[in-house]
Amino acid sequence: AQSVTQLDSHVSVSEGTPVLLRCNYSSSYSPSLFWYVQHPNKGLQLLLKYTSAATLVKGINGFEAEFKKSETSFHLTKPSAHMSDAAEYFCVVSGPRAGYALNFGKGTSLLVTP
Amino acid sequence: EAGVTQFPSHSVIEKGQTVTLRCDPISGHDNLYWYRRVMGKEIKFLLHFVKESKQDESGMPNNRFLAERTGGTYSTLKVQPAELEDSGVYFCASSPLGNYGYTFGSGTRLTVV
Repeated sequence: AQSVTQLDSHVSVSEGTPVLLRCNYSSSYSPSLFWYVQHPNKGLQLLLKYTSAATLVKGINGFEAEFKKSETSFHLTKPSAHMSDAAEYFCVVSGPRAGYALNFGKGTSLLVTP
Repeated sequence: EAGVTQFPSHSVIEKGQTVTLRCDPISGHDNLYWYRRVMGKEIKFLLHFVKESKQDESGMPNNRFLAERTGGTYSTLKVQPAELEDSGVYFCASSPLGNYGYTFGSGTRLTVV
């Protein structure tokens, strides 16, 4: 069985300050982990993915995430938030079941204030 | 390269009616997935096609939902008859075989009143 838990349903940061969105995973297999973002009225966009290569994964728009097996975590970070980062973020785990279908967390809404 | 296209983008129907959602995947993507997000819940897997074959439909909520993928190209998801709890956003995604490069469509927002 595979699942992810996003530890915060809402996060608020000021523009220019760091972003941390937390995610813990549970997986019977060696997991593939992803972060997706959804801006209002838009589709889901892949930010980054971990598939057992380097544990520090760099994504688009300055985001990165670190796979920590000992902590079963895959937290998403960005050094400096921008107003355009305001969106909903999903941590996702995938494995061999169902053709590598995705198991989504409940999402974290990121609010960026001026 | 065209992305994954879903239509309609929004649909409002009455309880008991039938609705058909359509997904056009990226050309050449053999994998096609349907997901759903019901209000206040997480996005959930519904089913998976490889070409025209259903590989896994364990996420389909009940037999009011029927998915097809004609000739391994576009896919349809029919809800008949629709119930209030079917309201939500239905996403489609496609990927090449053996590849994690999922591309999602923008989703169809279904409202059953």
